Amino acid sequence: QKEVEQDPGPLSVPEGAIVSLNCTYSNSAFQYFMWYRQYSRKGPELLMYTYSSGNKEDGRFTAQVDKSSKYISLFIRDSQPSDSATYLCAMSPGNQFYFGTGTSLTVIP
Amino acid sequence: ETGVTQSPTHLIKTRGQQVTLRCSSQSGHNTVSWYQQALGQGPQFIFQYYREEENGRGNFPPRFSGLQFPNYSSELNVNALELDDSALYLCASSWTSGGANEQYFGPGTRLTVT
Repeated sequence: QKEVEQDPGPLSVPEGAIVSLNCTYSNSAFQYFMWYRQYSRKGPELLMYTYSSGNKEDGRFTAQVDKSSKYISLFIRDSQPSDSATYLCAMSPGNQFYFGTGTSLTVIP
Repeated sequence: ETGVTQSPTHLIKTRGQQVTLRCSSQSGHNTVSWYQQALGQGPQFIFQYYREEENGRGNFPPRFSGLQFPNYSSELNVNALELDDSALYLCASSWTSGGANEQYFGPGTRLTVT
């Protein structure tokens, strides 16, 4: 079993839609959770960083962590064509980072 | 503020050769982590350097080695290259070691082994 599971998609939505991206994990020691956006052939760009359970909002992005279910989510409101990218979840118990495989998102104008 | 930079951008090597990849950390960061990202996969942790010492290592063989310099820049060395080493190699820097600190990635070096 992988440490972090993420549906690779691809996910295709119309412009303006709400996008929901999710990851599950098995290691209960994970306490730091991140979402990265990666455009084709580029390095990942940090979008959201959260510690422990709860919600965090930044503009059109909301990150949710449910440690009891070992489940994290990223919501994108009013999606734009420029949001088309691969979204990676990452998590850490305090040292090493573990990444999901990424979900490919396309926002259609 | 200067972001994380990596060189070279692309590299083609032959199986059995050795390669050195370079990374300059973001200003003010003292920790560098290296990742290997195969096509269609998430980044896999290779190792981390904190204050010039290796500070954690993933499931990679000893032919993957690294260095961190006093200015916190870093090198990744891979000996005896194999075809499966073809990947995007990413460097990430942070203020200090540990998952409690946000990591910022460079653009990566794309290595092709033929």
